[in-house]
Amino acid sequence: EAGVVQSPRYKIIEKKQPVAFWCNPISGHNTLYWYRQNLGQGPELLIRYENEEAVDDSQLPKDRFSAERLKGVDSTLKIQPAELGDSAVYLCASSLRDEGKREQYFGPGTRLTVT
Amino acid sequence: ELKVEQNPLFLSMQEGKNYTIYCNYSTTSDRLYWYRQDPGKSLESLFVLLSNGAVKQEGRLMASLDTKARLSTLHITAAVHDLSATYFCAVGGDMRFGAGTRLTVKP
Repeated sequence: EAGVVQSPRYKIIEKKQPVAFWCNPISGHNTLYWYRQNLGQGPELLIRYENEEAVDDSQLPKDRFSAERLKGVDSTLKIQPAELGDSAVYLCASSLRDEGKREQYFGPGTRLTVT
Repeated sequence: ELKVEQNPLFLSMQEGKNYTIYCNYSTTSDRLYWYRQDPGKSLESLFVLLSNGAVKQEGRLMASLDTKARLSTLHITAAVHDLSATYFCAVGGDMRFGAGTRLTVKP
């Protein structure tokens, strides 16, 4: 079974430029999560989707970040415009909502560097 | 707001020794997760704990949950070098992570 796929794996952009990250969850997983992980810290949840509905986006900086999950499968996270402080690893994870333990499977992440 | 504290943040131990990592959280929760992260890699699920008194074991690692004390422990038995990694606990449905414990096992 294929795991969570993310692309690109690395991205270097100048500040004020836009950037987008893509995630393909494990087949059949209806819950999808986006996290940001700063160096030396634990992941911070940005947004959680149940199918195509965003059910928890309280930590998403809505002035510059946006996300979508069309058709309840793949998801895209966008930053526009990027700031120096956005440099981090962006992780996508998925889980089965109907499974009580909701075990999450993480993708490899996208390492973003903003210069 | 749910707060999750792990300690220690850094742990250097000798091979063959035992040690425990602690995860405290501030509000009631029905689930707790432990993850491992190797440098430059993503997170690997180790344990999912869903009830008070739950204990899970895999190899040299054993995790337990005390929901009344709001405490989970990750116990390492007879450490080996391959266990060197950062270990995170995460609490609740909104997955609030601790800062992580960076474990180094020395020969």
